Amino acid sequence: DGGITQSPKYLFRKEGQNVTLSCEQNLNHDAMYWYRQDPGQGLRLIYYSQIVNDFQKGDIAEGYSVSREKKESFPLTVTSAQKNPTAFYLCASNRGDETQYFGPGTRLLVL
Amino acid sequence: DQQVKQNSPSLSVQEGRISILNCDYTNSMFDYFLWYKKYPAEGPTFLISISSIKDKNEDGRFTVFLNKSAKHLSLHIVPSQPGDSAVYFCAASPNDNYGQNFVFGPGTRLSVLP
Repeated sequence: DGGITQSPKYLFRKEGQNVTLSCEQNLNHDAMYWYRQDPGQGLRLIYYSQIVNDFQKGDIAEGYSVSREKKESFPLTVTSAQKNPTAFYLCASNRGDETQYFGPGTRLLVL
Repeated sequence: DQQVKQNSPSLSVQEGRISILNCDYTNSMFDYFLWYKKYPAEGPTFLISISSIKDKNEDGRFTVFLNKSAKHLSLHIVPSQPGDSAVYFCAASPNDNYGQNFVFGPGTRLSVLP
């Protein structure tokens, strides 16, 4: 089955801790994206990558970092610099034919 | 300033009736539009798309209408079913933006009552 997987489903972060959210796709898509969703708001773009070893900041990149060492994987690290990390995080990918395919999401909570 | 607006945060419709979800945009460069459906604690799933060369696209119970001069699109669901209860996001992008991100609206929560 082709698709996008995100893990974990729920993640708890302590103050000052970095945490990494996983995103893997086996759709052979070149482009991958990370979004954040907060209640009452649309999805906001954090980072995106159009090709391996290359990525660009989105609208709200501060406090986040990414890597794209493999085509299939685009992990997102929420650093201690992100002061308000509690949100629902969505990973997506596409092949440049505009339609994006989304993963199931990770809910991040701060202890 | 929101480039994609969905002015109704919520909508309730009786089962079997038509659901109409509206979306307005401000950027005249937008040329490609999508609707996503999202259940709680899940990622959005793609529903239907439309590009500016069309004014209507139909897929089963779902039809999207585009009025470029008014910068308005709408999603019609006929007949509505309880399983359609979800949040619906409108998204827009310039057509020539290879692999680029989309601008999403804030979503409309649809409740279909049995």
